[in-house]
Amino acid sequence: KAGVTQTPRYLIKTRGQQVTLSCSPISGHRSVSWYQQTPGQGLQFLFEYFSETQRNKGNFPGRFSGRQFSNSRSEMNVSTLELGDSALYLCASSPGPGASSGNTIYFGEGSWLTVV
Amino acid sequence: ILNVEQSPQSLHVQEGDSTNFTCSFPSSNFYALHWYRWETAKSPEALFVMTLNGDEKKKGRISATLNTKEGYSYLYIKGSQPEDSATYLCAFRNDYKLSFGAGTTVTVRA
Repeated sequence: KAGVTQTPRYLIKTRGQQVTLSCSPISGHRSVSWYQQTPGQGLQFLFEYFSETQRNKGNFPGRFSGRQFSNSRSEMNVSTLELGDSALYLCASSPGPGASSGNTIYFGEGSWLTVV
Repeated sequence: ILNVEQSPQSLHVQEGDSTNFTCSFPSSNFYALHWYRWETAKSPEALFVMTLNGDEKKKGRISATLNTKEGYSYLYIKGSQPEDSATYLCAFRNDYKLSFGAGTTVTVRA
């Protein structure tokens, strides 16, 4: 069974550009969450999607957005990139939404974004 | 802001020795406590999901306990091996998100 797949793995963007990251969850999983890791902040919650609907969003500016498709694949987009957006972006999948508290949540290897 | 704290931040263990470290979390509004093992350039590996006070879980030489009333969990590594070297993260689960601790980085010396 394939794990959580994220693309691209590494990318470099210039300030002011936008970026789209992709996540394919484990087959059969319908919940996808995104997390950001920066050296000083650790892993921070960005948003959660279930059945193509954003259920929750973390404390990030509106430049950060996402969506989920009918096949549960998800994308996140960051517009008007800033240097501080340089981070590892992790996608996580689980069978059901947050209320299913006993579910294991599986992570991808992440997308490393560098903004120059 | 949910404060999830892990201690120590790092530790060095001699091969064959056992070790343990702590995760503390809010004792209210508890849904689950997750433990992950994270090696550089790999995805975080799910170790345990713990939901009940008094839970004890074991996977090979690694085990974990949970005390939801006082808000802490211990992770134990028995007979440490070099391949146990990694950062171990705990995460407190509320309704919709994981709030992570900063991790304990374990280095096992041969």
